[in-house]
Amino acid sequence: SQTIHQWPATLVQPVGSPLSLECTVEGTSNPNLYWYRQAAGRGLQLLFYSVGIGQISSEVPQNLSASRPQDRQFILSSKKLLLSDSGFYLCAWSSGLAGGNEQFFGPGTRLTVL
Amino acid sequence: ELKVEQNPLFLSMQEGKNYTIYCNYSTTSDRLYWYRQDPGKSLESLFVLLSNGAVKQEGRLMASLDTKARLSTLHITAAVHDLSATYFCAGRGYGNKLVFGAGTILRVKS
Repeated sequence: SQTIHQWPATLVQPVGSPLSLECTVEGTSNPNLYWYRQAAGRGLQLLFYSVGIGQISSEVPQNLSASRPQDRQFILSSKKLLLSDSGFYLCAWSSGLAGGNEQFFGPGTRLTVL
Repeated sequence: ELKVEQNPLFLSMQEGKNYTIYCNYSTTSDRLYWYRQDPGKSLESLFVLLSNGAVKQEGRLMASLDTKARLSTLHITAAVHDLSATYFCAGRGYGNKLVFGAGTILRVKS
C-alpha cells in the first residue's frame, strides 16, 4: 500500500530564516506530487505540483520554491521566511496514470514564523 | 477556470438531525471529490464521484453528483458528534489539478 510522509511535523522559525520541508511517498512509482498551504481557518491553496523528476509548476508567485530531486521526494524551500508564510503545509500525491487523480494527503507540517 | 463554491461555510447541527452540504462548480468537471479534515489534522478522502448521477454512501454520509446542474451534495443523516469536522469538495480542473471549495465547518451538538 502507498504511504506519504512529511517532516518535520511542526516548525517554529524566525522571520528571514530559511526553510526546507520534505515529503516522500512509498509504494508507488512516478506519482504526481503537490504542495498546498492552508492558512488558519482557510481553504487549501495549491503552491506547486510536479509530474516528474525536476518538473515543477508554480501556481502562486511567492518566496517559496519546490524541487523534486527523486521520483518520490518533494521538497518545499524558502531562502527567507515571511510572517505570511505561517500555515499548515500539506503534501499530496496522485497516480501518474491518466485519469488517476484522486489526491492523497500527508500528515502535514505546521509552520509558525515569528 | 474552474471555481468551486460550498455552502454553508459553517453548520451547527443537533445530534440526530439531517442536513445537506452543497457544492457548486462553475465549469465542466467530470469528477468530484469529498474530503474530511479533523481539527489540526490532514485531509482524508471520503468519496470520489465519477459520473452524472453517481451516488456513494458511507455510514451516515451520502454524496451525489449532478453534472448537468454542476452540483454535488453531501447529505448527513442522523448526525452524531463524531461527524464534527471540516468537509471539502473539489473538482478536477485544468491539467488534472484539483480545485477545492472553501470548506464547510460542521459542528454536531448533543
